[in-house]
Amino acid sequence: EAGVAQSPRYKIIEKRQSVAFWCNPISGHATLYWYQQILGQGPKLLIQFQNNGVVDDSQLPKDRFSAERLKGVDSTLKIQPAKLEDSAVYLCASSLQGSGANVLTFGAGSRLTVL
Amino acid sequence: AQSVTQPDIHITVSEGASLELRCNYSYGATPYLFWYVQSPGQGLQLLLKYFSGDTLVQGIKGFEAEFKRSQSSFNLRKPSVHWSDAAEYFCAVGMDSSYKLIFGSGTRLLVRP
Repeated sequence: EAGVAQSPRYKIIEKRQSVAFWCNPISGHATLYWYQQILGQGPKLLIQFQNNGVVDDSQLPKDRFSAERLKGVDSTLKIQPAKLEDSAVYLCASSLQGSGANVLTFGAGSRLTVL
Repeated sequence: AQSVTQPDIHITVSEGASLELRCNYSYGATPYLFWYVQSPGQGLQLLLKYFSGDTLVQGIKGFEAEFKRSQSSFNLRKPSVHWSDAAEYFCAVGMDSSYKLIFGSGTRLLVRP
């Protein structure tokens, strides 16, 4: 089974620029997650989709971050404008369902550096 | 609020020695508990999970963890560490009351030859 695909793996931008990350989950997984992992910290959930609907986006900085999951498959996370503190690894994960008992499969992540 | 604490930021052990990584959680009911491992430049990989039943769970790569309700702990153990185990380890808690998976801040394991 193919894993969770993410691109790009690395991105360097200057502050106030914009960036977009793409995620393709495991086929058949209804739930998709975006996590932010700042260096030295554990992953923090930004947004969770169930099919193409948002389940939880309470920790998404909505003034600069947006995410969509059109057609309930691929997802895109956008940051505009970027700030220095957005430097992090953005991890996409997927699971069959969205309950607390679910096992998440993670992609390799997209590392963002904001200068 | 629910939280996960991994009190050790770094742990260094010699190859062949035993390992225990600590994890404590704060949650009113019985949580779903996970340990994930992250190698440099990689995503997180599931080592093991506890949902219910036997409180000692076995995982991949020779790891095991024990759920202790009285101590709100879910410590990860391995009897003999290999150099390839050097990585960052994350404990995580899932709950019935929400869809969130909350991660601890991680413990970086270094293995001495």
